[in-house]
Amino acid sequence: SQKIEQNSEALNIQEGKTATLTCNYTNYSPAYLQWYRQDPGRGPVFLLLIRENEKEKRKERLKVTFDTTLKQSLFHITASQPADSATYLCALEDVRRYSTLTFGKGTMLLVSP
Amino acid sequence: DGGITQSPKYLFRKEGQNVTLSCEQNLNHDAMYWYRQDPGQGLRLIYYSQIVNDFQKGDIAEGYSVSREKKESFPLTVTSAQKNPTAFYLCASSDLALTNYGYTFGSGTRLTVV
Repeated sequence: SQKIEQNSEALNIQEGKTATLTCNYTNYSPAYLQWYRQDPGRGPVFLLLIRENEKEKRKERLKVTFDTTLKQSLFHITASQPADSATYLCALEDVRRYSTLTFGKGTMLLVSP
Repeated sequence: DGGITQSPKYLFRKEGQNVTLSCEQNLNHDAMYWYRQDPGQGLRLIYYSQIVNDFQKGDIAEGYSVSREKKESFPLTVTSAQKNPTAFYLCASSDLALTNYGYTFGSGTRLTVV
């Protein structure tokens, strides 16, 4: 089965810096990969989807890259703000079950003023 | 506003009791999902449904049951056979095509065994 690895340690950065979060996976490369934001006690919120034939995708201050050779996705938040503090989840399509997602455990991001 | 509603927000269950978690969506999504989240763990898939009157087991279906009688509704029953039900339960929905919008999640139900 697919295994997804996200850094379990919290990432602490200063406001204004770029945060970079990593998602590594084993086994097959999915057709697409997604990133979600989750605040404590809330459901995840969809941020970005990137397909296997896309190297990079941007949305405002967010950028996602997808390297199927390295089996890795990087998630960047530029000009980070304290309001960006949250847990960020990586999710991959599960080819065994059409349109279902397998989620990583997430990485907590803490942005200090 | 379109969205997905889970209720109740908090639920307490006694040992040996069945409880049902509600999930309703008005997004006209075909697919619906139930995930369980435990501290320090990723979301784990319990059940999913791609169409009315049809659903499939996920990775941790034992001790749970679902129904999909209406497109808008996908209730989850936690039965007494679920030995460790204390967790945060999340319901989600999506278009089957999953264009660029991913899943829409509800705000979750926190279930505690007392």
